[in-house]
Amino acid sequence: DQQVKQNSPSLSVQEGRISILNCDYTNSMFDYFLWYKKYPAEGPTFLISISSIKDKNEDGRFTVFLNKSAKHLSLHIVPSQPGDSAVYFCAASRLNDKVIFGPGTSLSVIP
Amino acid sequence: EPEVTQTPSHQVTQMGQEVILRCVPISNHLYFYWYRQILGQKVEFLVSFYNNEISEKSEIFDDQFSVERPDGSNFTLKIRSTKLEDSAMYFCASSGNGRTGEKLFFGSGTQLSVL
Repeated sequence: DQQVKQNSPSLSVQEGRISILNCDYTNSMFDYFLWYKKYPAEGPTFLISISSIKDKNEDGRFTVFLNKSAKHLSLHIVPSQPGDSAVYFCAASRLNDKVIFGPGTSLSVIP
Repeated sequence: EPEVTQTPSHQVTQMGQEVILRCVPISNHLYFYWYRQILGQKVEFLVSFYNNEISEKSEIFDDQFSVERPDGSNFTLKIRSTKLEDSAMYFCASSGNGRTGEKLFFGSGTQLSVL
C-alpha cells in the first residue's frame, strides 16, 4: 500500500535550470509533508517541509508547493547546482504518527 | 551540528545469527526510530520508541526484532535470528519532541548483509 508515491525514479537537469520533483499521496489525513535528501553512504537529511494548511513554503533555492485537492506536492530547486545531485525522498505524516517515505527520485544535475 | 551516530557502518553475518545494531541519538532528543532500506527500495518504518517503550511498530517489526535503550545514550536494534531478507541499510533517527512535522535526524546507517 503505497501511501506516498514518487513516479519518476530519476531526473536529469542542466546546471542553472529548474529541477521539479513530484510527489503524490493517497491519504488525505496527512498533516505534514517533508522532503529529505540522501547522498550515497549517508542517511537522509531534512530539506524542507510544509504543513497541510499551507500551499507553499520557500527556503532559499528550495520551494515546496502543495495542492491538497490533487493530493500532490512538488519540490522546486532553482537554480539547480551539481551538489544537488542526490536521491530526494518525499515523506508525509499524520498528527503524532510515523513518517512515511516515498520511493525516492534520483536527481542528476549536469554541469 | 549534533548528529546521530551509528555503529558499525557495515555488518556481515550468517543466517540465523543474532545481530545488534547500535545508535547514539542526539543527546536532548526524546523520540527514537529505526528505518530500513532494502537495496533499490524505499525507506521503510520499523519502530518508534519513546519513554523507554515502543510507541509504534510496523508489520516488518516481528518477534525477531527488539529495541532497547540500555543506558542514557545508546539505542539498539537487535535481530535475534537473521534471515536473508533482513539484508538492508538500517537507519536510526531521532527527534526532539516527536511532534508531527518535526524533522527527523538520521544516522549514516548500518549496512547489514546476511549470508
